[in-house]
Amino acid sequence: EPEVTQTPSHQVTQMGQEVILRCVPISNHLYFYWYRQILGQKVEFLVSFYNNEISEKSEIFDDQFSVERPDGSNFTLKIRSTKLEDSAMYFCASRLQLSGELFFGEGSRLTVL
Amino acid sequence: GESVGLHLPTLSVQEGDNSIINCAYSNSASDYFIWYKQESGKGPQFIIDIRSNMDKRQGQRVTVLLNKTVKHLSLQIAATQPGDSAVYFCAEIGGLTGNQFYFGTGTSLTVIP
Repeated sequence: EPEVTQTPSHQVTQMGQEVILRCVPISNHLYFYWYRQILGQKVEFLVSFYNNEISEKSEIFDDQFSVERPDGSNFTLKIRSTKLEDSAMYFCASRLQLSGELFFGEGSRLTVL
Repeated sequence: GESVGLHLPTLSVQEGDNSIINCAYSNSASDYFIWYKQESGKGPQFIIDIRSNMDKRQGQRVTVLLNKTVKHLSLQIAATQPGDSAVYFCAEIGGLTGNQFYFGTGTSLTVIP
């Protein structure tokens, strides 16, 4: 069964460092998303991406964040200068069409020290 | 903005009993809802969805009920099994582009053997 894959599964970084989280969405999907989940809290929307551009972003997705689809398969989330409060589980998701099911990856746990 | 909330943060049931997990949503314009299951350390996993033109939808051992009058959603799990132990989220679609999924805070279901 096709799945969304994410790397790394866990990254520990120092405050102020840049982090790149990688995702490989399901191959024929067109819509891509990043969500985050702070420990014990709900899953929060960060950004959606379609046709090589951001279609929508939340208030959380400030100038420290950026997304990129550098080739036909990868979808990355970059945090330029990490803060302690960026520590969370980051989930990539994709779907084939707007009316379709959203498939999530297993997540990348980011720990900022 | 939209908000999606759960009535109870935790629920414990005996193995074999039926479980009912409730969810309230605030945006009367929402027309698509999904229930997700999240096991510890994993990404959300699709369980079942329902559109606003339906009141009920059944899957394998699961039923989702939608009451648009009171903006209430419920997930019924028949013959609950230990493998059903997880956090359950309801999500509604919304946002400026109708592209965002808004998640509730989740209900933690514990199945007692």
